[in-house]
Amino acid sequence: NAGVTQTPKFRVLKTGQSMTLLCAQDMNHEYMYWYRQDPGMGLRLIHYSVGEGTTAKGEVPDGYNVSRLKKQNFLLGLESAAPSQTSVYFCASSYSLWQGSGETQYFGPGTRLLVL
Amino acid sequence: DAKTTQPPSMDCAEGRAANLPCNHSTISGNEYVYWYRQIHSQGPQYIIHGLKNNETNEMASLIITEDRKSSTLILPHATLRDTAVYYCIVRVERGGADGLTFGKGTHLIIQP
Repeated sequence: NAGVTQTPKFRVLKTGQSMTLLCAQDMNHEYMYWYRQDPGMGLRLIHYSVGEGTTAKGEVPDGYNVSRLKKQNFLLGLESAAPSQTSVYFCASSYSLWQGSGETQYFGPGTRLLVL
Repeated sequence: DAKTTQPPSMDCAEGRAANLPCNHSTISGNEYVYWYRQIHSQGPQYIIHGLKNNETNEMASLIITEDRKSSTLILPHATLRDTAVYYCIVRVERGGADGLTFGKGTHLIIQP
């Protein structure tokens, strides 16, 4: 199992450009999450999804959109990138019907985004 | 979820036990204590969690005081690869449907 994978690993954008970050998991998890981590800080939740076709806002959702058209994929979109969105983005997944609790999350390796 | 307090940094000699404290004095009866760690430039990794009783797995042990107001994560034989930021998170078990709240954690440095 690959676990949670993220694409791309690193990206540089100019202000106003758009991009989509892809997260994929092969653990048949129901829940998926997008976090951002700024230097010296803990992770902050951007958006999350409790199932295919559903999404919800987290702590810092402004400037981002998400979609979960397939259970194994969770996409994070930046429509018009701003320098304040320079960060490391982590995707995570949790909870399968056999696992029970969704509190144990499995994280991807991260995407480093620089917005100039 | 209850607030947690952790020291910003700690050192430990390689091969010794690393004991990482966490204060959660406002914890309520149905809140669990979770520990994650983040090795530099990687995604966080789940370590262990518990409610009242002490817990042990292949990675670590979790000791929770009787009044549940504090806990200690123990790495029994620390190696250089255990150098990481360790996060203590307290939360009600509600199925994970709203993400985790990470503070600044403890930066544990294992010294050779």
